[in-house]
Amino acid sequence: EADIYQTPRYLVIGTGKKITLECSQTMGHDKMYWYQQDPGMELHLIHYSYGVNSTEKGDLSSESTVSRIRTEHFPLTLESARPSHTSQYLCASSEEGSKVGQFFGPGTRLTVL
Amino acid sequence: GQQLNQSPQSMFIQEGEDVSMNCTSSSIFNTWLWYKQDPGEGPVLLIALYKAGELTSNGRLTAQFGITRKDSFLNISASIPSDVGIYFCAGTNNNAGNMLTFGGGTRLMVKP
Repeated sequence: EADIYQTPRYLVIGTGKKITLECSQTMGHDKMYWYQQDPGMELHLIHYSYGVNSTEKGDLSSESTVSRIRTEHFPLTLESARPSHTSQYLCASSEEGSKVGQFFGPGTRLTVL
Repeated sequence: GQQLNQSPQSMFIQEGEDVSMNCTSSSIFNTWLWYKQDPGEGPVLLIALYKAGELTSNGRLTAQFGITRKDSFLNISASIPSDVGIYFCAGTNNNAGNMLTFGGGTRLMVKP
């Protein structure tokens, strides 16, 4: 079944830890995105990728980094987590030229103590 | 840059009532999308609109692409408790490479 997965769903960690949020999709989509969303608030694009070895920063400045070594995989890394990074992180993907918009994963809720 | 103003920000209604929310943009979009987000989950696409004036239904949901291409509305008829969530509008155009501009969301609460 075609889908988009995010792990972990919830993560509570201490300040200074390095973390990687995983995102995988089985739909063969070229385009993938990371959004940051505070509870009940709007979505802010922080990274996107148009294909393998392509990554760009989004509208909202973020200290996180991303990589796209495989089409289906788009992990997000924080080298040194801080309380200000506490938020929900949503991954999405879309097909080139598609008219049906972006498909979202379930999100990772990150809490940095 | 482009901005989407979504209103109302929140609504608290009685079960069975109809709901209406809308989005307006400072610039033109070629496609309007409406998503629903349940607590702790990612947004799920409800309706996609591709032509100015288009009216599309999905069950109790109806959405319209405004004639000016700068606005869209979503109606929910006969609301039920599971309609609770945050509804986001999003716009995109062919030049944006599937990039979406999101509205601020409408939080819907339904009283049984």
